[in-house]
Amino acid sequence: DTGVSQNPRHKITKRGQNVTFRCDPISEHNRLYWYRQTLGQGPEFLTYFQNEAQLEKSRLLSDRFSAERPKGSFSTLEIQRTEQGDSAMYLCASSRRGRDGYTFGSGTRLTVV
Amino acid sequence: QKEVEQNSGPLSVPEGAIASLNCTYSDRVSQSFFWYRQYSGKSPELIMSIYSNGDKEDGRFTAQLNKASQYVSLLIRDSQPSDSATYLCAVSEEYGNKLVFGAGTILRVKS
Repeated sequence: DTGVSQNPRHKITKRGQNVTFRCDPISEHNRLYWYRQTLGQGPEFLTYFQNEAQLEKSRLLSDRFSAERPKGSFSTLEIQRTEQGDSAMYLCASSRRGRDGYTFGSGTRLTVV
Repeated sequence: QKEVEQNSGPLSVPEGAIASLNCTYSDRVSQSFFWYRQYSGKSPELIMSIYSNGDKEDGRFTAQLNKASQYVSLLIRDSQPSDSATYLCAVSEEYGNKLVFGAGTILRVKS
């Protein structure tokens, strides 16, 4: 069990650029979640996969955000045409069952300048 | 809108004291409840889970759940400076598809 791995750890990008983050969950976990966290707030749900199927996407997520989990393994989160308001920590988590707690990765900190 | 409410703190306790952290939630059908610890600049770490009314103890940590009052708490006995962190309460939705997090309570343990 190597834990949940996220890359990159930090990303600085100019406004209007596209960015992509990667998450490798714990291998036996079939559920994968993306959350976003800003300073002083708890993690905010973005989207959730069970195996390769994206089962739920937050209404707060604009069309600029897209996530994939091909073959039910790693996942990518892409943000197109980044805005300064996208600056946050993007957290990936995985779990084996719906009622289990999550294991979080170290996160990707995005700064949009 | 399902909500999880926590006092933002900071909650300051002396070393060796009991720290009591509280959380209320709005969704009556929530089934699973979790406490996460988050150090500054780090990601959340699961420390306790509780699914049934009553108390659950794990080392220095005790989680308490009262579904009728929609209230969950975390007690930390013999608090240590290393316990200083933000504690996040998380509550599952009805079918456990995702967790809803509170904003967290900052705990400071003074030596």
